[in-house]
This record gives sequence, C-alpha cells and structure tokens, in this order.
Amino acid sequence: DVKVTQSSRYLVKRTGEKVFLECVQDMDHENMFWYRQDPGLGLRLIYFSYDVKMKEKGDIPEGYSVSREKKERFSLILESASTNQTSMYLCASSLQQGAVEAFFGQGTRLTVV
Amino acid sequence: TQLLEQSPQFLSIQEGENLTVYCNSSSVFSSLQWYRQEPGEGPVLLVTVVTGGEVKKLKRLTFQFGDARKDSSLHITAAQPGDTGLYLCAGAPIYNQGGKLIFGQGTELSVKP
Repeated sequence: DVKVTQSSRYLVKRTGEKVFLECVQDMDHENMFWYRQDPGLGLRLIYFSYDVKMKEKGDIPEGYSVSREKKERFSLILESASTNQTSMYLCASSLQQGAVEAFFGQGTRLTVV
Repeated sequence: TQLLEQSPQFLSIQEGENLTVYCNSSSVFSSLQWYRQEPGEGPVLLVTVVTGGEVKKLKRLTFQFGDARKDSSLHITAAQPGDTGLYLCAGAPIYNQGGKLIFGQGTELSVKP
C-alpha cells in the first residue's frame, strides 16, 4: 500500500518558534509538494521539489523554506512561526511522468499561538 | 495564472438525491483528477481522466472530461451519507513543470439521512 506519512497530526507552537514539518514517502516518487489548506481558499502550493536537492517556489512561499536531502523525505520549515501560519499543512508526492496523480499524507494541523 | 473554478462551493442534500459538481477553466489540461477529502485527513484520489470526452464510472459516481479538456464534472446518483466530504478537482497543465497540479476551491458536500 502506497504511503505518504507526515510526522505529526497536530502541533501547537509559539509565535517566533522555528517549526519543522516532516514528510516521508515510500513510493520512490520524484515529485514532492507542500500545500496549506484554509477554508474558502482551497489548496495553495507553498513549495515543490522534482528531485533531490531541487526546490521550486509555489504560490505562497513567503515565511517558509524546504529541504530535500533524500528522495523520500521533504521537510517544510517555518523560520519564525506567526499566527497567520495557523493552518492545515498537506504533503503530497507524485511520479514525474504520466498523469501526475498526487498521493497525500494525512495532514498536520498547526496552531501558532 | 491558470485557474480551476469549482462549483458549487457548498451542497447540502437529502439521501437519495442526485447532484453534479462542476470544474471549469479557460485553460487546457493534459489530465484532470478528482479527489475526496474527509475531515482531518488528506485528499484521496478518486479518478483521473485524460482524453477529451472521456467518461469514467466509479459505482454511483460518474466523471466526465470535456471535449476540449478545459472542464470536468462529477455526478453522484442516489447520494448516501457516506458520500459526505470535500470534493476537489485538480488539473495538470499542458506544459507541466515538476508535476504541479492546479486545484479547484473544493465542494463541501453534506448528505443528510
């Protein structure tokens, strides 16, 4: 069974903290993505990566960075968490060729207080 | 910027009713996917349509890709409470960079017994 696993289901962090969200996939997919999901705004792409050590900005990269040192792992970093980064964060992966169907993790509900 | 307009945003119906969700764009997509998301979980792929005019059926769900590959619809026959959830359409742009998908805003479906 294919799997994308996010390290935490729920996180509560303080304003100004550095936050790490981890994502691991076991499908040998080249592409990995980080989205945030907010009511009425749908899924918004933060960053994506199409290969190890490669990263591209998505639509809302401000306040975030990413790391992909190994093919199976893609980390999202909030350099200095702020309350407007309270959201549901979703990691996904996909193959580079074909219909690029995305497989999602279970999501991390992050609350910044 | 490519957009996918999904409608309606909210739908509340009684068990046994039929419904249709629409996804429209002015852009052409190489493929289009439909996902279903339950509260607190990540989206799960339902179907991918690739060919213009293609129709796919998944039990009581019928998916159609427009002839021009710019739009799609999801029709549910005799809805059941278990169909409740958030339905998302996502399109793969023709000139796909790194497997990026364009997501619609989602349709929140509630089926009451």
